[in-house]
Amino acid sequence: SAVISQKPSRDICQRGTSLTIQCQVDSQVTMMFWYRQQPGQSLTLIATANQGSEATYESGFVIDKFPISRPNLTFSTLTVSNMSPEDSSIYLCSVVVADTGELFFGEGSRLTVL
Amino acid sequence: DAKTTQPPSMDCAEGRAANLPCNHSTISGNEYVYWYRQIHSQGPQYIIHGLKNNETNEMASLIITEDRKSSTLILPHATLRDTAVYYCIVRPYYSGNTPLVFGKGTRLSVIA
Repeated sequence: SAVISQKPSRDICQRGTSLTIQCQVDSQVTMMFWYRQQPGQSLTLIATANQGSEATYESGFVIDKFPISRPNLTFSTLTVSNMSPEDSSIYLCSVVVADTGELFFGEGSRLTVL
Repeated sequence: DAKTTQPPSMDCAEGRAANLPCNHSTISGNEYVYWYRQIHSQGPQYIIHGLKNNETNEMASLIITEDRKSSTLILPHATLRDTAVYYCIVRPYYSGNTPLVFGKGTRLSVIA
């Protein structure tokens, strides 16, 4: 299994500001993913965080809005830039455990944008 | 897009078995059926997965039809703590570590 720590767990932000969410894993993992869960909705994949190269974004998500870093095999950050109320969501980090193929999730970071 | 169809909601009496159906008629030969659940305000939690044989673990049982076009997750003795949204997902197992694509899931309410 994998233990995933996300920070912050929640935050209230002002419109136009940016916030960086951190994801720390207790073991080295190859693949890390970032998801968004808007209120009352299911999870939507934002991007795959690639170690040593640029993240791979899903349709509808762009690097300027959601820059991602992956400096090593245990850590990644997601920044939500120039926030608006529509960005109010839970943002979740997910990793794959290589020997089982299972995905594990952090507890999420709940952002409220005023 | 999600390749599964689930009922939006279900109720189950506490102590009874909860049977959650899932249709995945376009599943490919190399795709497994995964079940996750998300309890309110928490990250999704892995429950079980299977290819074509029925599977059981300490949390649940997974029954997959012979043609693999549908499956049922069974929680044998539902408790109030099983109230959650349950997601059925198809995904290749060892596939270069692909992410999960979530559908809308089934909101299970366990009632005392």
